[in-house]
Amino acid sequence: EVQLLESGGGLVQPGGSLRLSCAASGFTFSSYAMTWVRQAPGKGLDWVSALSGNGDSTYYADSVKGRFTISRDNSKNTLFLQVNSLRAEDTAVYYCAKSSRRELPPVGFDSWGQGTLVIVSS
Amino acid sequence: SYELTQPPSVSVSPGQTASITCSGDKLGDTYVCWYQQKPGQSPVLVVFQDRKRPSGIPERFSGSNSGNTATLTISGTQTMDEADYYCQAWVSSTAVFGGGTKLTVL
Repeated sequence: EVQLLESGGGLVQPGGSLRLSCAASGFTFSSYAMTWVRQAPGKGLDWVSALSGNGDSTYYADSVKGRFTISRDNSKNTLFLQVNSLRAEDTAVYYCAKSSRRELPPVGFDSWGQGTLVIVSS
Repeated sequence: SYELTQPPSVSVSPGQTASITCSGDKLGDTYVCWYQQKPGQSPVLVVFQDRKRPSGIPERFSGSNSGNTATLTISGTQTMDEADYYCQAWVSSTAVFGGGTKLTVL
């Protein structure tokens, strides 16, 4: 069974940083691209970033480009999102999700974690 | 930037067919996925590559995509299908989600 467990969220001041993690199990992690999607309270889904299975190809939403960095450690089956220069509008639940293939772009996000909440506030 | 437009809400009676549309410029030229999200839960992929269903998704869920509009169709809608539905496509190395449609079954 595929399991994705996010962690690292919390309350942070504007301009601050966090490192989100997503621990994966139940599948061959390096064989699949991964992505981060966020959802502000009461709002819709907002794609953030994607990373190929071997980590050599990345995509970012314009709204986070230059501030967020996606990475992965295939030896530890873990996906990361380094979020810097945080703004109030970055407040959201951040989900990691698994693609159905190794390369980008993903065909679809076929498994999702439960999410980790990031609150940006002074 | 590219936008996908969905109706904010759709209502359907149990057992009837629900259709949720997703519109975007030349949307038919790319693949569309659909996600279901129930309150307090994570999204679930229900259709990918316009019309394919992941394993475990009931046959009553189907999709189509042509021209500027993709459609998610739920045949014989059940009360358990009440949820928010989001379309999603890839455009220029960017994933775009529609704004979501709240499906009410009553």
